[in-house]
Amino acid sequence: DVKVTQSSRYLVKRTGEKVFLECVQDMDHENMFWYRQDPGLGLRLIYFSYDVKMKEKGDIPEGYSVSREKKERFSLILESASTNQTSMYLCASSSLGAKNIQYFGAGTRLSVL
Amino acid sequence: AQSVTQLDSHVSVSEGTPVLLRCNYSSSYSPSLFWYVQHPNKGLQLLLKYTSAATLVKGINGFEAEFKKSETSFHLTKPSAHMSDAAEYFCVVTPGGYNKLIFGAGTRLAVHP
Repeated sequence: DVKVTQSSRYLVKRTGEKVFLECVQDMDHENMFWYRQDPGLGLRLIYFSYDVKMKEKGDIPEGYSVSREKKERFSLILESASTNQTSMYLCASSSLGAKNIQYFGAGTRLSVL
Repeated sequence: AQSVTQLDSHVSVSEGTPVLLRCNYSSSYSPSLFWYVQHPNKGLQLLLKYTSAATLVKGINGFEAEFKKSETSFHLTKPSAHMSDAAEYFCVVTPGGYNKLIFGAGTRLAVHP
């Protein structure tokens, strides 16, 4: 079974803090993704990566950055957390190919106070 | 531009009755279409996918969906709802090229005894 593991299920941070969300996959997938999920909006893509050290902006990259130093790990960074970044964050991975299934982690619920 | 519209934000059914979750899509390309399910406090799980083979797609847990190009629809159905089907369901399109998913806003399914 494919496993996508997000390091934290719940996080509480203060405005202005630097926040790291970590994601690890165990299937040697080339592609990795970060989404945020908000009620009534579905999932929106923040960033994705199709190879080590490669990254592409998604639909809502403002206020976020990412790092992919190893194939299995994809980190989402909030440089200076703000209250409007309170959300559920989901990581996913997939093998190379346009029609391939994405496998999701359980999510990290981040609250910024 | 590609987009997905889930026509109902909430659907409520009685256990043992049919389920219909409606989805319309817009895509300039020959799309791949998916349905994902998210149970409370869990990650997203793939229910089924359409990738230009048979227009009637069978998925897990008794769900199926029919791709209708003339109506640009991909509705999800199940003949008989079970209490364990209560969850949020997302219709998803990937327009081809990149492995990038576009999510609908989600439909929350409630199942009553």
